[in-house]
This record gives sequence, C-alpha cells and structure tokens, in this order.
Amino acid sequence: GIQVEQSPPDLILQEGANSTLRCNFSDSVNNLQWFHQNPWGQLINLFYIPSGTKQNGRLSATTVATERYSLLYISSSQTTDSGVYFCAVVNSGGYQKVTFGTGTKLQVIP
Amino acid sequence: DTAVSQTPKYLVTQMGNDKSIKCEQNLGHDTMYWYKQDSKKFLKIMFSYNNKELIINETVPNRFSPKSPDKAHLNLHINSLELGDSAVYFCATALAGGPGELFFGEGSRLTVL
Repeated sequence: GIQVEQSPPDLILQEGANSTLRCNFSDSVNNLQWFHQNPWGQLINLFYIPSGTKQNGRLSATTVATERYSLLYISSSQTTDSGVYFCAVVNSGGYQKVTFGTGTKLQVIP
Repeated sequence: DTAVSQTPKYLVTQMGNDKSIKCEQNLGHDTMYWYKQDSKKFLKIMFSYNNKELIINETVPNRFSPKSPDKAHLNLHINSLELGDSAVYFCATALAGGPGELFFGEGSRLTVL
C-alpha cells in the first residue's frame, strides 16, 4: 500500500517562530488533507488540498502531487498550535481508503 | 449541533466484556469510517461504509463488528475485549464518490483493564 511519511517527527519552536512540515507519499494520490490533533485529542481539519496552494490565516499548505509531497507552513507560531499534525492521502488506485502519515509532534513554548 | 458525534467519549471496562461505541453524523454524508489510534498516535483505518454498505474491512479481528442501521449512523461493537484493544476510536465521514474531505468525531477512548 501507499506509504506516507512526515518530517520532522518532533519539533520544538519558540513562540513567534515559523516552521515547515513535510508530507511525502509513495504513490499518486487523489486527495490530501492536513489535520491538527490538539492536546485534547480532537482532530481538526486544516486543509483539503489535493494540489496547489491554500492559505488560512497564519497557516498555508502546498501540495505538488506530481512530485508526491505536501508542505504545511506555520507562521508566527502560538502555543495553541501545539499538538500533532497529520497529513492523510487517498491513493489514486484505492477506493475511499484514507492513509494517514506518521505525524509531526509540535510543541510551541512561550 | 456537533457534525459527527460519538458516544461514549470514555469507556473503561474489563477484559472479556462486550462493548459498543456509537457514531452519528448530521452532515448528510454517504461514507462513514472507523479509525483506531494507538498509543503511538498512529491512525489506522478499520472499516468504511458507503450508504450502509461495507466497503473497506481492514485486517481487523472478527471480534469487531460494525453496524450501520442507516446512513447517519455507524456503530462499532467489540466482543471479548482484550488489553490490546485499548485505544482511541474515531468515527469519520465524507461525501460519497471520493472520499472528499474527511470530518472526524471527537473520539472514544477505550481502556481495557
């Protein structure tokens, strides 16, 4: 099956710093989504981004499907950004099966 | 109104018991899923239903039996609970024909003692 790897696995940032999280996938995908799992365990939709670039406030995401990666940018990080960030993909050859990446655990310290 | 709601949110039970987790969605989506998140935070798909029909059944022990009484509900029943079943179980939904964007419930934390 498709492999989805995220990097870095762990990240500690000072509040106000910027960061880039990466998601690499091993096969062509139809869909890609970024989620934030907050410290209370809730999975929050950030972006639905099969291709192209989207922005939402301090966050933006870019997916280059032909090169099999996606990037999540966090600017001016805040302590509320702490948690685990997941990307999830749907393989072009698969039927409705969403595969999650390994996650990036982010800690933003004041 | 919560779009995807799960009950219970917390469940503590003894080995060997049988338990159920319920999921309800009011988004009008056709596809519903159960995911399991283990202690290392890895999220793995268990089942997918499209309009009450089982579509995906990953390598899950047959002690786990999903049931979809209607398009808005997908329940998960677990027989003969084992220690290794301890995890957070997430229900998710998506529009049919995709999936498109996934929407998750808040999760149900199951602890088996």
